Amino acid sequence: DTGVSQDPRHKITKRGQNVTFRCDPISEHNRLYWYRQTLGQGPEFLTYFQNEAQLEKSRLLSDRFSAERPKGSFSTLEIQRTEQGDSAMYLCASSLEPAILPSYEQYFGPGTRLTVT
Amino acid sequence: QKEVEQNSGPLSVPEGAIASLNCTYSDRGSQSFFWYRQYSGKSPELIMFIYSNGDKEDGRFTAQLNKASQYVSLLIRDSQPSDSATYLCAVKEGSQGNLIFGKGTKLSVKP
Repeated sequence: DTGVSQDPRHKITKRGQNVTFRCDPISEHNRLYWYRQTLGQGPEFLTYFQNEAQLEKSRLLSDRFSAERPKGSFSTLEIQRTEQGDSAMYLCASSLEPAILPSYEQYFGPGTRLTVT
Repeated sequence: QKEVEQNSGPLSVPEGAIASLNCTYSDRGSQSFFWYRQYSGKSPELIMFIYSNGDKEDGRFTAQLNKASQYVSLLIRDSQPSDSATYLCAVKEGSQGNLIFGKGTKLSVKP
């Protein structure tokens, strides 16, 4: 298993454009999380999926943000009408819950760094 | 508002010394606690997790949990320059599954 992958790794876009990021979790993991991290801060939770169901959304996830996990495998995060304040590292993580053993660890992908100019 | 607090540092220790990183959390119902290491420009890497009061050791790393004091710590023995990074404390939020992170403590290990 190669771990969590994210694409693209870097994205530069102009304000007002739409962007879409993809995350492929560890293959047997049923939970997938999106976080956002800005400089000097810890990651902040955006949303998560259990299989294909989106179970929780943070208040940080404005209506310009939408996430999907249509077949319970990969997920996409779309940001519409990007703003300069959206510039951040977007991190995806996955976990296996419930597990045979207590195993609630989340493993992160390499992230997508978004710069909005 | 559930919070996780860490000293931002930087914490500077000489090579070979013990580095001690601390974290407090506000939600008394929290059950799962994690330490991630993050190198500059990279994503967080899980290094330790702990669910029960007491100590948990893994190589040079020891995680300590005191739920009564709502306190988690990470000890790094025989610190190496390659340990220089930001260490993030994370607490799982109840039954929701998402993690709440502190801002991280920047550790610098001097040769």
